[in-house]
Amino acid sequence: GQNIDQPTEMTATEGAIVQINCTYQTSGFNGLFWYQQHAGEAPTFLSYNVLDGLEEKGRFSSFLSRSKGYSYLLLKELQMKDSASYLCAIMDSNYQLIWGAGTKLIIKP
Amino acid sequence: IAGITQAPTSQILAAGRRMTLRCTQDMRHNAMYWYRQDLGLGLRLIHYSNTAGTTGKGEVPDGYSVSRANTDDFPLTLASAVPSQTSVYFCASSDSGGGTYNEQFFGPGTRLTVL
Repeated sequence: GQNIDQPTEMTATEGAIVQINCTYQTSGFNGLFWYQQHAGEAPTFLSYNVLDGLEEKGRFSSFLSRSKGYSYLLLKELQMKDSASYLCAIMDSNYQLIWGAGTKLIIKP
Repeated sequence: IAGITQAPTSQILAAGRRMTLRCTQDMRHNAMYWYRQDLGLGLRLIHYSNTAGTTGKGEVPDGYSVSRANTDDFPLTLASAVPSQTSVYFCASSDSGGGTYNEQFFGPGTRLTVL
C-alpha cells in the first residue's frame, strides 16, 4: 500500500529553525515534493528531491533518504508569514502525486 | 488571465443537482488535474489529463466526470451531487504529462457545499 506520514501540527518561535518530517511507503518513487499552503489558499511549490541528499533554496532546505523512506523540510530564520501548512507529496510509479495530510506550522512571536 | 483560474469561487448546491466546475490555464501546460481537499486528509486526485483529448481516473473518480477538448480548459462535472462531495476542489496543471518531473501549479480552488 501507499502511506505518507507527517506530524499534524507543529509550533515554533519567530527567528528559530524548524524541521518538518515526512516518512513514506509507496509502490513506486519518482521524486518527493514539498508544497506550502496558507489557510484558504492554493498550494505553492517549494522543493523537489529525487536523489538522496540536501537541496537548499534560501531559508528553506529539503532532505531525502530513499533507503529510509524519509524526508524533511528545514525552515530557518522563521518569519510570521511562514505560518502555513506544509504538504509532502510522492510522485509514484505512474507519475501521479500522492499527498500527505500536511503539517500545520504555527509561528509564535 | 495569468496562471490558472477556477469558477465559481464557492457554491452551495442542493443534493441531486448537476454542477460543473470550470478550470482554465493560460500556460499551455500539457497536463491538468482535479483534486479534492478535505480536512485531515491529503489532496486526493479525482481525474487527470496528460494531454488534450485524453483523460484518466485518479484515486476518487466516482460521481465525477471530466473532459479535455483543448489544452486550456478542464471542466469537472458532478452529475448528481451528494453531501459527501462537499469539499474544496483544486485544479492544477503541469508542463508535461507523465514520465518527467512536473511541478504542479494550482488554481485558487472552489469551495463546494452540497446540502
